[in-house]
Amino acid sequence: AQTVTQSQPEMSVQEAETVTLSCTYDTSESDYYLFWYKQPPSRQMILVIRQEAYKQQNATENRFSVNFQKAAKSFSLKISDSQLGDAAMYFCAYRSGYGGATNKLIFGTGTLLAVQP
Amino acid sequence: NAGVTQTPKFRVLKTGQSMTLLCAQDMNHEYMYWYRQDPGMGLRLIHYSVGEGTTAKGEVPDGYNVSRLKKQNFLLGLESAAPSQTSVYFCASTPALVTRGEAFFGQGTRLTVV
Repeated sequence: AQTVTQSQPEMSVQEAETVTLSCTYDTSESDYYLFWYKQPPSRQMILVIRQEAYKQQNATENRFSVNFQKAAKSFSLKISDSQLGDAAMYFCAYRSGYGGATNKLIFGTGTLLAVQP
Repeated sequence: NAGVTQTPKFRVLKTGQSMTLLCAQDMNHEYMYWYRQDPGMGLRLIHYSVGEGTTAKGEVPDGYNVSRLKKQNFLLGLESAAPSQTSVYFCASTPALVTRGEAFFGQGTRLTVV
């Protein structure tokens, strides 16, 4: 079974600085997708960034980028030029690239990011 | 607006009472999921469905039942609520293949069992 691990329950960053959130996963599949979701206090789940396992190039979305290390099964999120609005819970998630009954969206335990002014 | 709608948003139950949470999506997604979110534990999968009429157990299925009689609806039932089921519940839907789109989430249901 696939698992997702986030080892940092809480992180803090100064406004305008850079922070990296860690995520590791375990799978025997070769086709899968990885995601980072943001959950602000409103509870809304917002997709931040997505990475396809078959792509070697790391995904980037404006100030958000990932460091995808497939062999190490590591998928970290880097937030550059942190803003107060980045304060939220961040979840790493995995989904199989194969269809069928085993296709589930699996989450880590989350990292609560605080942004200090 | 297209999306996932959960009903209700808040609920307080007494131990032993039953209730049903409704999730509705209008995006014609094949897959639907129910999660519970508890502090320090992330989102844990309760049950999921890969199509109309089919359901499967997730990580924490005990004490819950589900049904998917229509493709757009996924119901989560608590037959006899327990304080351990106090949580925030999220429904999500996705296309069958990731290449066809991302997951959409409902706004969550905060359930308190006293």
